Amino acid sequence: EIVLTQSPATLSLSPGERATLSCRASQSVYIHLAWYQQKPGQAPRLLIYDASNRATGIPARFSGSGSGTDFTLTISSLEPEDFAVYYCQQRTNWLALTFGGGTKVEIK
Amino acid sequence: QVQLQESGPGLVKPSQTLSLTCIVSGGSISSGGYYWSWIRQDPGKGLEWIGYTYYRGGTHYNPSLKGRVTISIDTSKNQLSLKLSSVTAADTAVYYCAAQSNVLNWFDPWGQGALVIVSS
Repeated sequence: EIVLTQSPATLSLSPGERATLSCRASQSVYIHLAWYQQKPGQAPRLLIYDASNRATGIPARFSGSGSGTDFTLTISSLEPEDFAVYYCQQRTNWLALTFGGGTKVEIK
Repeated sequence: QVQLQESGPGLVKPSQTLSLTCIVSGGSISSGGYYWSWIRQDPGKGLEWIGYTYYRGGTHYNPSLKGRVTISIDTSKNQLSLKLSSVTAADTAVYYCAAQSNVLNWFDPWGQGALVIVSS
């Protein structure tokens, strides 16, 4: 099983600030990594796929980068609606899809 | 785009079988264009993939749940189902169905989720 480790667990920032979230894989997942956003009481929503492609309707302030084992999700300037939990997910191993433990972006 | 909605009992007794369905609208579950998955989330915790199936294809399950889980498709009702046997309190979670298109290959869209509590 490919283990995804997200850091930090919690990120306390103010609106307008830049958020940088990390996801590290226990082995190479190439670019087969996605990021999801989850707000309280809602299902996760796809933000970024294949490491750096924004999903339909996702604002340009969200960007993803990385390959192999180290990935980053960046929110260039936090909007009030961006405070949520973010998860990464790999699909390199289709027989054992896994998610990271999540990073909560909270208002400072 | 397809839309998904889960339904099923919100309370299951320990050792019994958890059964959920996911109604697919806006597209045919038998079109062959999607993989259909179940994912769960412990209250306040992270996400765990349970397994997926695809029309006239195979099914694949999380090795940690293999032996207890069955995912199947009912084309007459255009729905996906999940059965998880011998449940314990550790199976208490919000259960989501989600689709992965052959083009995108990521979980999009998701259903709204169904909370299942395992308790006597």
